[in-house]
Amino acid sequence: AQSVTQPDIHITVSEGASLELRCNYSYGATPYLFWYVQSPGQGLQLLLKYFSGDTLVQGIKGFEAEFKRSQSSFNLRKPSVHWSDAAEYFCAVAGSGGYQKVTFGTGTKLQVIP
Amino acid sequence: DAGITQSPRYKITETGRQVTLMCHQTWSHSYMFWYRQDLGHGLRLIYYSAAADITDKGEVPDGYVVSRSKTENFPLTLESATRSQTSVYFCASSESQGYTEAFFGQGTRLTVV
Repeated sequence: AQSVTQPDIHITVSEGASLELRCNYSYGATPYLFWYVQSPGQGLQLLLKYFSGDTLVQGIKGFEAEFKRSQSSFNLRKPSVHWSDAAEYFCAVAGSGGYQKVTFGTGTKLQVIP
Repeated sequence: DAGITQSPRYKITETGRQVTLMCHQTWSHSYMFWYRQDLGHGLRLIYYSAAADITDKGEVPDGYVVSRSKTENFPLTLESATRSQTSVYFCASSESQGYTEAFFGQGTRLTVV
């Protein structure tokens, strides 16, 4: 069965600092991988997704993620964090078959301090 | 307004009562989903629907009922609410079977007392 682990429940970074959120997955074949962001009181919004091809994926809001098959990881990065990036971030993994097959991680809450 | 809307945003109900959470989308997306979000569990799929009159169970369907008589609506009913169903519920829709983007509603915070 597929699974995804986000080892950091809560991360605090200073505004302007770089950010890396960790995501490790378990899946038998090449997975579909996603990062979503949930701002307070809002639903989830897709930041980026990886299906195949280039292992470095660019997303919205200046985020990127790198798929590393050897490490079963799909870490999310941003070179310079803005206060508006404070939110909860979810990594998700799926095989083929649509969103009913997606497994979400437990989320990482990002706090941005001045 | 275009998009996906959930109602109510907040609901308090008593144990044993029936409660229905509404979800409406304006895109005519084929697929719709209900998730619950609990601390330490992330999002878990309750039910999903591939089209009007086609629904199927997700990971945690017990205690919930869904229907989809119209493409745009996908209500979720708790037949007899229990405290363990206290959660934040999200509805989502996507255009197709594949991984085109899924759009999420703002959520309904349900408290069962």
